[in-house]
Order: sequence, then structure tokens, then C-alpha cells
Amino acid sequence: AQKITQTQPGMFVQEKEAVTLDCTYDTSDQSYGLFWYKQPSSGEMIFLIYQGSYDEQNATEGRYSLNFQKARKSANLVISASQLGDSAMYFCAMREPYTGGFKTIFGAGTRLFVKA
Amino acid sequence: DGGITQSPKYLFRKEGQNVTLSCEQNLNHDAMYWYRQDPGQGLRLIYYSQIVNDFQKGDIAEGYSVSREKKESFPLTVTSAQKNPTAFYLCASSIGDSTYEQYFGPGTRLTVT
Repeated sequence: AQKITQTQPGMFVQEKEAVTLDCTYDTSDQSYGLFWYKQPSSGEMIFLIYQGSYDEQNATEGRYSLNFQKARKSANLVISASQLGDSAMYFCAMREPYTGGFKTIFGAGTRLFVKA
Repeated sequence: DGGITQSPKYLFRKEGQNVTLSCEQNLNHDAMYWYRQDPGQGLRLIYYSQIVNDFQKGDIAEGYSVSREKKESFPLTVTSAQKNPTAFYLCASSIGDSTYEQYFGPGTRLTVT
């Protein structure tokens, strides 16, 4: 069963505008963590932001913020003041218990295009 | 500069040959991971290791093998038993297990013909 769902295969945003990338997750655990990663065309994955399930405040890191709605099981990424360099694939991910510890599972990703 | 290196960036092999992908980190991280990424898809976990001399299978371990003899190194061997080995392979590390964010290498694109 799909545990991380990113319903937007592609998104366009005008430079300097804000954009929201959607992510919903499925878990029965009370303790979990949610991550967003950016993958430029070079291929390397870059960590952007983290939200713990017990964190009451939405996480923020510079122009990135995570809109965490626990009851709806959503963890949308908001990028403010988009820049051309934000054009990339964005992956939502969740930490879940696994053999002997935890593992991180990834969604299928959303490709963001920033227009000049 | 601390980070993760993977070599080579591009690798070509003939079907039936085993191939080993290199992953080295100088971040002093305990945990290391190997992921596979296919076009238009997210990452799938192949193997992970939380400490030296120990590793666990991930979701798609069949046809792959790993070793963790040193903290800094976590090589992945793609064996001839892997039915569809052509893919982009990413190595990652983290301070502990997946509680913390992972740091990724630049990846190796493997093409098997």
C-alpha cells in the first residue's frame, strides 16, 4: 500500500511567487518523522526540512516551511519567493519502524518548474 | 570538506557481470544506506547498515550484496542475479538510524546491456 502520496507529478510557479507541494502519508504509528528532499538534475538528494509527529509548531527553514496537518495526515511543503534554482524534483519521505530500527520511505516526487 | 563520494558517476556493464559501486563517507556517520531510483519514481531501499560489520536487507535486496568492514565505506555489488539492474543508485548516511536526516552522495548511473 502506498504510504507516501504525492499527487502532483509536475507543478509550475512564477518566479518570486509561493508554491505548495502536496504530501499525504499513511501510518498507524504515533511517533514518526516527515522529511522533504530536493533532487536537482545533477541527481544528488538534498535535505530541506523535517517535522516530528509530536512537534506542535510547523517546521520552517529559510524559504521552506512545512504545513503539518496531523489529523489529515498531510505534510505539504511551502516554498516562498520561488527562485529559478528551485526547479527540481521534490520528494516527501517518512521515517517508519523497520527491522532493528527505522527506515525512510519516499514518495514518487513532484517536479517543480520555476518560470522567469 | 565532509561528504559522501560515489564512484564512478556513470558505469556500463554487460549482462551477466557482477559490478561493485563504491560509497565512502567522511562524516563519521554510523548509518549508511543504498537506494535505487528508477525513472519517474522515488527511492527504494536496497540495504542499510547501522554499524560496522552489520547490515540489513531493505525492500529490494534480491540480486544485491553489501559489506561494511569500515565505518567510512559501504560498497554495493550488483550481481548477475539482479533481473533489471539498470538504474540510478544513491548512497546515503546519517548520524544514527533514520531518526535523522540523510546525507546523499551524487549517485551512480548504472547501465547494463
